[in-house]
Amino acid sequence: QKEVEQDPGPLSVPEGAIVSLNCTYSNSAFQYFMWYRQYSRKGPELLMYTYSSGNKEDGRFTAQVDKSSKYISLFIRDSQPSDSATYLCAMSDASSNTGKLIFGQGTTLQVKP
Amino acid sequence: DAGVIQSPRHEVTEMGQEVTLRCKPISGHNSLFWYRQTMMRGLELLIYFNNNVPIDDSGMPEDRFSAKMPNASFSTLKIQPSEPRDSAVYFCASSFSPGYTFGSGTRLTVV
Repeated sequence: QKEVEQDPGPLSVPEGAIVSLNCTYSNSAFQYFMWYRQYSRKGPELLMYTYSSGNKEDGRFTAQVDKSSKYISLFIRDSQPSDSATYLCAMSDASSNTGKLIFGQGTTLQVKP
Repeated sequence: DAGVIQSPRHEVTEMGQEVTLRCKPISGHNSLFWYRQTMMRGLELLIYFNNNVPIDDSGMPEDRFSAKMPNASFSTLKIQPSEPRDSAVYFCASSFSPGYTFGSGTRLTVV
């Protein structure tokens, strides 16, 4: 079993839809949770960053962490064609002072106009 | 800041040849990571450095792979000899705290 599981998709939605992307994990020591967005032929870029449990909102994006269920989510409201990309969850434990991240497989999202 | 700079952007080489990938991290970042990305396996951590010291190279697939970080502003990943199954996109990332900044990657094709 992988430490971080993520459905690779692809996920296709119409413009304006609410998108839900999810990851599960097995290591209860994980404290830092991130979402990266990767456009085709580009490097991943940090989108959202959450420490421990709770919600964080940034514009159309909301990240949720449920440590009791070992489950994290990224919601995209009013999705746009420009949101079409691969979304990767990533996480690390607090003891890792080097910041080593474990990544999910990534979910490919297509938002159709 | 120019971000994490990787070179070359693309590399096509013949099986058996030596390949060297280069990375310049963001100034002030004390951790550097080399990843490989393929459709089948996603992002795989190969090796990472903290303060120029290799911390964990357990992801390096074989002895054909080696990495160095001679100073805080430069790192190399070398494959010798290269094989077709090494074809992938290789990313370098640097970090000062949890959360990386990735370079644009080197797309390696071994024929």
